[in-house]
Amino acid sequence: QSVLTQPPSASGTPGQRVTISCSGSSSNIGSNTVNWYQQLPGTAPKLLIYSNNQRPSGVPDRFSGSKSGTSASLAISGLQSEDEADYYCAAWDDSLNGGVFGGGTKLTVL
Amino acid sequence: EVQLVESGGGLVKPGGSLRLSCAASGFTFSSYSMNWVRQAPGKGLEWVSSISSSSSYIYYADSVKGRFTISRDNAKNSLYLQMNSLRAEDTAVYYCARDAKVRGVRLDYWGQGTLVTVSS
Repeated sequence: QSVLTQPPSASGTPGQRVTISCSGSSSNIGSNTVNWYQQLPGTAPKLLIYSNNQRPSGVPDRFSGSKSGTSASLAISGLQSEDEADYYCAAWDDSLNGGVFGGGTKLTVL
Repeated sequence: EVQLVESGGGLVKPGGSLRLSCAASGFTFSSYSMNWVRQAPGKGLEWVSSISSSSSYIYYADSVKGRFTISRDNAKNSLYLQMNSLRAEDTAVYYCARDAKVRGVRLDYWGQGTLVTVSS
């Protein structure tokens, strides 16, 4: 069981908006920033969102992040077939004194 | 261009040891914290360990504490993970990743990974 909880799967059709949730606790999301990673099949993860809602250079503005209390969300608007991937949230956990990842959400573009 | 290249993976018997290396280039290695993250076959990402830029701060996941040791050599732009007392559940692809924020898991560059298989 992962410390951060994500739905195992999500889906949408091209052009739709989908959201992926990430639930934690006061020791991780509640007191630290959240980062999101995209992992395309057979590749290394890529930083998608950092510090809750910031996009690294080169990440399309279709991707956005938010955080409220002990939960965070990743939103993808204008869904495209190339968005089909696994998505992970991550944060530092002050109680564990280490990093924690969500279990991952597999996004399918129908 | 930032590059991280892992090496040292392979097949090892339970109870054995392995040392992973990560060669960094394209950035000032001594200015960044570094992390190891692993991914078991068909499973999600698991944070393993983190080391600060000057090695002053080191953190481990409970699952590897006491068995794994992270270290770095800033003169050689290299990160290491010494893995002892290996178990079947340590089988995974191990990634090294640059951390843009200490204690932040803000991993902005990743290597391609090296596969460690623990099996008799």
